[in-house]
Amino acid sequence: DQQVKQNSPSLSVQEGRISILNCDYTNSMFDYFLWYKKYPAEGPTFLISISSIKDKNEDGRFTVFLNKSAKHLSLHIVPSQPGDSAVYFCAASAGGGTSYGKLTFGQGTILTVHP
Amino acid sequence: DGGITQSPKYLFRKEGQNVTLSCEQNLNHDAMYWYRQDPGQGLRLIYYSQIVNDFQKGDIAEGYSVSREKKESFPLTVTSAQKNPTAFYLCASSWSAQDQPQHFGDGTRLSIL
Repeated sequence: DQQVKQNSPSLSVQEGRISILNCDYTNSMFDYFLWYKKYPAEGPTFLISISSIKDKNEDGRFTVFLNKSAKHLSLHIVPSQPGDSAVYFCAASAGGGTSYGKLTFGQGTILTVHP
Repeated sequence: DGGITQSPKYLFRKEGQNVTLSCEQNLNHDAMYWYRQDPGQGLRLIYYSQIVNDFQKGDIAEGYSVSREKKESFPLTVTSAQKNPTAFYLCASSWSAQDQPQHFGDGTRLSIL
């Protein structure tokens, strides 16, 4: 049972344009969401997160949007740069108030930004 | 520089052998985690530890064992009971099990000879 899904295995965009990566979840107990970026043969690097009490969080070129009613979140990268080319993982946690905030990951989306 | 160090980067194991993957952190984090990544899949939790001398099974603990004798160290043993051990293994840590984000090491790729 895949509780966090990234339905697009890959995305290709032109440098300078917007990249939109999508993530859907099924568990209504999830209350914290994160995006990680991963290069081959390296560990994931934390990018940006959002709590379920918000619907938007920005950090420089990266913005995460959360639609709780649709159980959907998205990561927008504007403008996209070739160095953004990597695998992007969406992750969710149902930790708020519980003893353990386990992360559940999506399958990842390979982003390729062409010069 | 503070961080998480996993060693070795590449590891080969003969069938029937146990092998131990190292994970050390100098971030002073209480919580540590082991994940496994297979091609086309997200990260799956093997074991986690909230504090020294304590650890709990994750979603795919069968065939694996861990120890947490020191705060900075959380080694993972892949036993011969693990039927499909070839994978990329990632160690992570966070201030506490309730805190996010988790910070990751660069991983160890384990292959069976």
